[in-house]
Amino acid sequence: QKEVEQDPGPLSVPEGAIVSLNCTYSNSAFQYFMWYRQYSRKGPELLMYTYSSGNKEDGRFTAQVDKSSKYISLFIRDSQPSDSATYLCAMSLSGGGADGLTFGKGTHLIIQP
Amino acid sequence: GAGVSQSPRYKVAKRGQDVALRCDPISGHVSLFWYQQALGQGPEFLTYFQNEAQLDKSGLPSDRFFAERPEGSVSTLKIQRTQQEDSAVYLCASSPVLRGLETQYFGPGTRLLVL
Repeated sequence: QKEVEQDPGPLSVPEGAIVSLNCTYSNSAFQYFMWYRQYSRKGPELLMYTYSSGNKEDGRFTAQVDKSSKYISLFIRDSQPSDSATYLCAMSLSGGGADGLTFGKGTHLIIQP
Repeated sequence: GAGVSQSPRYKVAKRGQDVALRCDPISGHVSLFWYQQALGQGPEFLTYFQNEAQLDKSGLPSDRFFAERPEGSVSTLKIQRTQQEDSAVYLCASSPVLRGLETQYFGPGTRLLVL
């Protein structure tokens, strides 16, 4: 079992829908949680960053972390075709660089116009 | 401004060849990371530099992989005697912050294909 599990999809939804993406993890020591968006043949781009449990909102994006369930989510409101990409969750043991980031496999999201 | 750049963007190598992949981080960024991303997978951490010091190389898969950043800016990832399982996208990321995981800026990657 990998440390971070993420459904690879594809997940296809109509434009304007609310999208829910999620990851589960096994290592309770993870404290920093991130969501990256990756377009085809591009590098990952940081969308959201959360420390420990709680919610964080940024425009159409909301990130949630539930450490008791080892479960994190990303919600996208009013989804747009330009949101079509692969979404990667990532986490780390500390805010330091000593351990790098542990990524999920990524969920391929398709927003249908 | 200029982001993280990587070269070459694509590399085809015959099994057994040595390859060198270059990363130009954003100017002034002290932290630099290398990741390996296999097809359909998320990136996997390889190694981390703080300026010229390689502080963590725990993710390097074998002793055929070697990374350096001699002057604290440009970094090179070298793979010796390439194998087919080395085929992947190699991503470089840099950060202006010491131990700055949350502010990593990724390059476009080098796509390596070993035949």
